[in-house]
Amino acid sequence: LAKTTQPISMDSYEGQEVNITCSHNNIATNDYITWYQQFPSQGPRFIIQGYKTKVTNEVASLFIPADRKSSTLSLPRVSLSDTAVYYCLVGDWGSNYQLIWGAGTKLIIKP
Amino acid sequence: DVKVTQSSRYLVKRTGEKVFLECVQDMDHENMFWYRQDPGLGLRLIYFSYDVKMKEKGDIPEGYSVSREKKERFSLILESASTNQTSMYLCASRISKYSNQPQHFGDGTRLSIL
Repeated sequence: LAKTTQPISMDSYEGQEVNITCSHNNIATNDYITWYQQFPSQGPRFIIQGYKTKVTNEVASLFIPADRKSSTLSLPRVSLSDTAVYYCLVGDWGSNYQLIWGAGTKLIIKP
Repeated sequence: DVKVTQSSRYLVKRTGEKVFLECVQDMDHENMFWYRQDPGLGLRLIYFSYDVKMKEKGDIPEGYSVSREKKERFSLILESASTNQTSMYLCASRISKYSNQPQHFGDGTRLSIL
């Protein structure tokens, strides 16, 4: 099973671009990479998902190199409201749910 | 928007009690999940269900059971609660195992076992 490793915490400032990297050296062929955001006292909220190369939506971009052993969540021009815990999840949705969650990165945005 | 509703936000129970945590989703999703979340450990899968009447063990099923009698409802049962089951419990749902759509989560039940 792919084990995911991400930084425990990160700090940044409003208006900056923030990149959070997740390492998943043993990722399997059918595994997708998904990122979630979680605020205190709420459940995780889906941000973005990808399989390879680059995926972009209205809130974030996800960069996945060719070997897929890592992925980077990019948050453009962060604001104070982006302070949250960000989770990386690797797994094959179509299998018997071999889903591997990272321990989460606590992102603190400063004014 | 998918809505996953957990019946209680906070719950306090005593050791040895039988505890029921309820979860309801409103989008006719086939798959439902129960996780527990502890500081520094991220999310750990307890049980999941592919469809009505079906259940599968996750990574940490010991001390728990589940019930899925209706498609929209997935219940987590602590047969005899213990203090080490004090945790945040999260329910999630997704369309089906044949889709790559992500899970949608409820806001959690913070359970304290005294």
